[in-house]
Amino acid sequence: GAGVSQSPSNKVTEKGKDVELRCDPISGHTALYWYRQRLGQGLEFLIYFQGNSAPDKSGLPSDRFSAERTGESVSTLTIQRTQQEDSAVYLCASSFSGGISGANVLTFGAGSRLTVL
Amino acid sequence: GENVEQHPSTLSVQEGDSAVIKCTYSDSASNYFPWYKQELGKRPQLIIDIRSNVGEKKDQRIAVTLNKTAKHFSLHITETQPEDSAVYFCAASKPTGNQFYFGTGTSLTVIP
Repeated sequence: GAGVSQSPSNKVTEKGKDVELRCDPISGHTALYWYRQRLGQGLEFLIYFQGNSAPDKSGLPSDRFSAERTGESVSTLTIQRTQQEDSAVYLCASSFSGGISGANVLTFGAGSRLTVL
Repeated sequence: GENVEQHPSTLSVQEGDSAVIKCTYSDSASNYFPWYKQELGKRPQLIIDIRSNVGEKKDQRIAVTLNKTAKHFSLHITETQPEDSAVYFCAASKPTGNQFYFGTGTSLTVIP
């Protein structure tokens, strides 16, 4: 597609329920990132996928958070047993890994706003 | 890892004045430094970037400078306009791993 697509754009859920957030990166982008942004705060790194390499999960805040990506396509971020502190905008971004030249432009999706009641 | 610090956290300027936001990084291996603008309720969008093989890059009213020796880079906005009001994030990235490390953001307000 023309840009990074995320769904749903808004999700309201009850504490304790599981949620799935989806990201469809730009076609051909080998790298995919998930960030969390709480209201008025910065970008908190969650997880990074690069091609078929093992993902960098170092930013996941707890074992309630997990993410998957099949090849170089769609990624799903799952939050189990949601808590109120999980309320935030979850941003997905993708880039084309330029190899020896290093990182390339990171393009963000519009985000999924999660509200946990 | 890499640590990116960004200052100031908030900045108010009069319309027409210049604004400067500064970032420092810790890892000399970082070689790509983008700046993102995030308007209220919108996604971050790339406004300018610089690689470590150049010291300055300009795009109309926006410029970025890089000092590799001191490990800092700055965003300069001249002739500021109200529509420049937003949160600006700097970032650093290394060629290995392709990870992006973001600063904590600067909220810029341009007063008409």
